[in-house]
Amino acid sequence: QKEVEQNSGPLSVPEGAIASLNCTYSDRGSQSFFWYRQYSGKSPELIMSIYSNGDKEDGRFTAQLNKASQYVSLLIRDSQPSDSATYLCAVNIMASYDKVIFGPGTSLSVIP
Amino acid sequence: EPEVTQTPSHQVTQMGQEVILRCVPISNHLYFYWYRQILGQKVEFLVSFYNNEISEKSEIFDDQFSVERPDGSNFTLKIRSTKLEDSAMYFCASSAQGKTYGYTFGSGTRLTVV
Repeated sequence: QKEVEQNSGPLSVPEGAIASLNCTYSDRGSQSFFWYRQYSGKSPELIMSIYSNGDKEDGRFTAQLNKASQYVSLLIRDSQPSDSATYLCAVNIMASYDKVIFGPGTSLSVIP
Repeated sequence: EPEVTQTPSHQVTQMGQEVILRCVPISNHLYFYWYRQILGQKVEFLVSFYNNEISEKSEIFDDQFSVERPDGSNFTLKIRSTKLEDSAMYFCASSAQGKTYGYTFGSGTRLTVV
C-alpha cells in the first residue's frame, strides 16, 4: 500500500515568518509531486508541482524534493494570515495507470 | 480562469437511495477523476477516467459506484443504495495530461446520507 505521510500539525507561525511543511512518501518510483492548499470547507487548490531533485520557487513558495530520501517540503516565506489553511502533499503512483494519492495534510495557522 | 463545476453543492439522501453527482470538467481536459473526503480525513482517490472508460479505480470503488460521461461535457458519479458511511465531500477533478501534472478540482458536493 503506497502512502504519503505528513505531520498533521497544527503548525503555528507568526506573520512574516517562514513556514516549513514536510512530506514523505513510500513509492520510490514516484515522479510527480504536488502541494495543494485546502481552506476549511473548500476544495484542494494546486499551488506547486515539482518533478526533479532540488528547489523550485514560485513567488513566496519554494518546493524542495529529495528523491533519494523520498522527501518533499514546502517553504512559505513572509507568511500571511491568508496562508492559514491545510496543506496537502500529493504524489503520483508510478505503478498505477493514472492515480495520485494525497497525504493527510498539515494544518497551518499564521498568527497576526 | 477555467473551472470545474459540480452540482449539487449539497445533497441529502435517505439510506438505500441512489444519488447522481454531476461534474462539468474543464473543456479541453481529457482526464477526469472522482475523490472523496470524509469529514476530518484525507482526500481519497476513487476513480480515474480517460477516453470514455475507467483507467484506474480504488478498492473503495466497488459495485455500488459507477461513472459515466453521458455527453461531451458532463461527468457523473452514481452511488447506488447509499450507506451512512458514504457521507462525505465528493470532489471531481480534471487534468490536461493525467497523473503527471496537477489537477483542477471542483468545489465539491457534500453528500449526507441519513
